[in-house]
Amino acid sequence: EAQVTQNPRYLITVTGKKLTVTCSQNMNHEYMSWYRQDPGLGLRQIYYSMNVEVTDKGDVPEGYKVSRKEKRNFPLILESPSPNQTSLYFCASSPANTGNTEAFFGQGTRLTVV
Amino acid sequence: DAKTTQPNSMESNEEEPVHLPCNHSTISGTDYIHWYRQLPSQGPEYVIHGLTSNVNNRMASLAIAEDRKSSTLILHRATLRDAAVYYCILKTQGGSEKLVFGKGTKLTVNP
Repeated sequence: EAQVTQNPRYLITVTGKKLTVTCSQNMNHEYMSWYRQDPGLGLRQIYYSMNVEVTDKGDVPEGYKVSRKEKRNFPLILESPSPNQTSLYFCASSPANTGNTEAFFGQGTRLTVV
Repeated sequence: DAKTTQPNSMESNEEEPVHLPCNHSTISGTDYIHWYRQLPSQGPEYVIHGLTSNVNNRMASLAIAEDRKSSTLILHRATLRDAAVYYCILKTQGGSEKLVFGKGTKLTVNP
């Protein structure tokens, strides 16, 4: 079954404690990205990757890092989380640069930073 | 990114058809019209997309105006499971894969 898997689904952490949210896809997609969703602000892109070792900033990259060492994995790293990063996070993947294909989203990670 | 405009909310009764409109007056010739939906507590889910011609799949139909400045997502028989926020998004062929989500239309389905 084609899917994007995120872990963990829920996470409560304290300010400043480094954390990683994992994302894995099984469709051999080139393009992967991270979004955060906040009430009243909708879904906004954090970072994206066009392929292995190719990553770039999205609209709200501050406070986040990513890596793309393998095609299937695209972890989101918060090196020093702050309360304003409390949000619902989604990972997505799709074939690259066509406009004519669908994106697949993970089930989401609800992060609370206290 | 070309912009889309959708009503904030719509309501329907179960088993009835639903027509969700989207305006995209600045669409360019290489923009595909995509629809996604987000059920409560879930990630966005692809529904359908098209370029110029009307499209049908197992989930819905997409009717595209002749001038492409508007489109309508049609759910033929709404069920309670169709209650979600529906997003109309433009994607350019050969352009960024980024999906620009607006506020979407919140669809309520009454039993």
